[in-house]
Amino acid sequence: QVQLVESGGGVVQPGRSLRLSCAASGLTLSIHGMHWVRQAPGKGLEWVTGIDYDGNNKYYADSVKGRFTISRDDSKNTLYLQLNSLRAEDTAVYYCARDLAHWSLWFDSWGQGTLVTVSS
Amino acid sequence: QSALTQPPSASGSPGQSVTISCTGTSSDVGGYNFVSWYQQHPGKAPKLMIYEVSERPSGVPDRFSGSKSGNTASLTVSGLQAEDEADYYCSSFAGSNHLVFGGGTKLTVL
Repeated sequence: QVQLVESGGGVVQPGRSLRLSCAASGLTLSIHGMHWVRQAPGKGLEWVTGIDYDGNNKYYADSVKGRFTISRDDSKNTLYLQLNSLRAEDTAVYYCARDLAHWSLWFDSWGQGTLVTVSS
Repeated sequence: QSALTQPPSASGSPGQSVTISCTGTSSDVGGYNFVSWYQQHPGKAPKLMIYEVSERPSGVPDRFSGSKSGNTASLTVSGLQAEDEADYYCSSFAGSNHLVFGGGTKLTVL
């Protein structure tokens, strides 16, 4: 049974940083690509970033490039998202999601999400 | 990359069929067979319903089907059931290892 559990969300001031975690069980991160997808309140889905199965390649949406960093710790089977220089428009529920394959950009397992609110 | 275009709403009565469109460009939907569809119930995480234009993951009812013609992909839900009422999002590979989503369609079962 695949389970993804996000944590680390909260209220943060503009310009500050936050680190999100996604603890995985029932799957091995090094076999699948992994992604972060966000959803602003009442809005649609937005792909944020992904890391391929061997961790050698990382890709970012233009809206977060240079500010967010995806990483993972295989020994802890945990995915991370470092959010720097946060803006009000980064306010959203952040989901981690498993890629169906090494890198297909199809997401077959999702966490429950963690809410990030950027506000002064 | 711009978001794909979906109608904001769609509806149908139980037992009927409804089709939701997803329009992009030759740089995304039209250029690759990497279209997928997600179902999202209120307050829940999205669920993969269709991938690679028309493939269904294990456990997804065959009432859900996908297709593509040119720059437009479509999701058809046949034999509508009350539990199908949800938001539906399409997505497509958009080049440079990026993904773009549609704006979402709220499906109402009348």
